[in-house]
Amino acid sequence: GAGVSQSPRYKVTKRGQDVTLRCDPISSHATLYWYQQALGQGPEFLTYFNYEAQPDKSGLPSDRFSAERPEGSISTLTIQRTEQRDSAMYRCASSARWDTEAFFGQGTRLTVV
Amino acid sequence: QKEVEQDPGPLSVPEGAIVSLNCTYSNSAFQYFMWYRQYSRKGPELLMYTYSSGNKEDGRFTAQVDKSSKYISLFIRDSQPSDSATYLCAMEGGSEKLVFGKGTKLTVNP
Repeated sequence: GAGVSQSPRYKVTKRGQDVTLRCDPISSHATLYWYQQALGQGPEFLTYFNYEAQPDKSGLPSDRFSAERPEGSISTLTIQRTEQRDSAMYRCASSARWDTEAFFGQGTRLTVV
Repeated sequence: QKEVEQDPGPLSVPEGAIVSLNCTYSNSAFQYFMWYRQYSRKGPELLMYTYSSGNKEDGRFTAQVDKSSKYISLFIRDSQPSDSATYLCAMEGGSEKLVFGKGTKLTVNP
């Protein structure tokens, strides 16, 4: 695709519900990152993939958070039993390799009420 | 102490001013230093990329890295209203994990 595409753009969910966010990276980009960005803060690393491998998930805040990239392309971030503190912008980025420029998507704004 | 510290501002300057943005860091493993620009309601976009210490210039933008002081800077010359955005420093030390500062919100007034 022309850029990194994320869906939905906005998601409002009730506390306790599960949500799944989707990221469609730039075609052929090997590396895909997930970041969480709170209002007025810089993005905080959650996890990344090299193709379908997930070498680092150290940034996931709890075991309620999980991410997949089963075919090395599209990725999903799932938050189970959402809590109000999960409200944030979730950003996906992709790069051709780990040491090249990362291109960010427009993000998914998650609000847990 | 956070790994990367960045004054969030906000910073307001007149058009044509020289702008100086800075970050300090604590992790001596950081080797790659970046500046991202983020317009309102958009994702961050890479502006400058520097490996290790030194200066890099690109048009009106100059990035400086001083690893001995663990201090990086971004200078914007002849600032324009279109430069109004949040500027984020980011660093990486070979772990594929970018560590961002909080971002500095810059407004350039015509």
